[in-house]
Amino acid sequence: NAGVTQTPKFQVLKTGQSMTLQCAQDMNHEYMSWYRQDPGMGLRLIHYSVGAGITDQGEVPNGYNVSRSTTEDFPLRLLSAAPSQTSVYFCASSYLLGAGNTIYFGEGSWLTVV
Amino acid sequence: AQTVTQSQPEMSVQEAETVTLSCTYDTSENNYYLFWYKQPPSRQMILVIRQEAYKQQNATENRFSVNFQKAAKSFSLKISDSQLGDTAMYFCAFMKGYNAGNMLTFGGGTRLMVKP
Repeated sequence: NAGVTQTPKFQVLKTGQSMTLQCAQDMNHEYMSWYRQDPGMGLRLIHYSVGAGITDQGEVPNGYNVSRSTTEDFPLRLLSAAPSQTSVYFCASSYLLGAGNTIYFGEGSWLTVV
Repeated sequence: AQTVTQSQPEMSVQEAETVTLSCTYDTSENNYYLFWYKQPPSRQMILVIRQEAYKQQNATENRFSVNFQKAAKSFSLKISDSQLGDTAMYFCAFMKGYNAGNMLTFGGGTRLMVKP
């Protein structure tokens, strides 16, 4: 049971490049989400998904795309990287919390855009 | 939209003493969860404690307890018998609804340093 796995852990991009941050979970969770954490701040929701084929925008979606073709995977795509997207990115997954379940976070992906 | 405010950017406490971290939130929802997360330098997000809004009893987990004041929209975290390993960033977080996934709104965090 690997939990939530994010790759890559570290990445440096040049302005204008595109890339995909991968997130995979092996717990059959319906809910998955992406957050970013800027220096000295809390996490902010980028996009989320309530099941395969269903995604929606969070608080800061501009510049990012997501898709959810399988229950296990929820990749985050940066279309044209900008220095303002330098951040630490976290993926999270869970079942419905009403049953006392827990939200699982990945270990984070450090992205620097130069 | 919900907002979460942590008014103490930094706090320090002597080992073995008690410290309280503050959190206030703003929402029009009646059903929601509140959380405290610990983030050590590794950046791992560790759940400390959670509270369902419909529960009047304050949640406790070993040395960690909360003071949940629903009418005042306040959710403070008390750490008793502070240990060096408690040094970390602490984030208060809000999630609306009971049958919901993991769409959280976080506060800006409080950096806690436990001194020997």
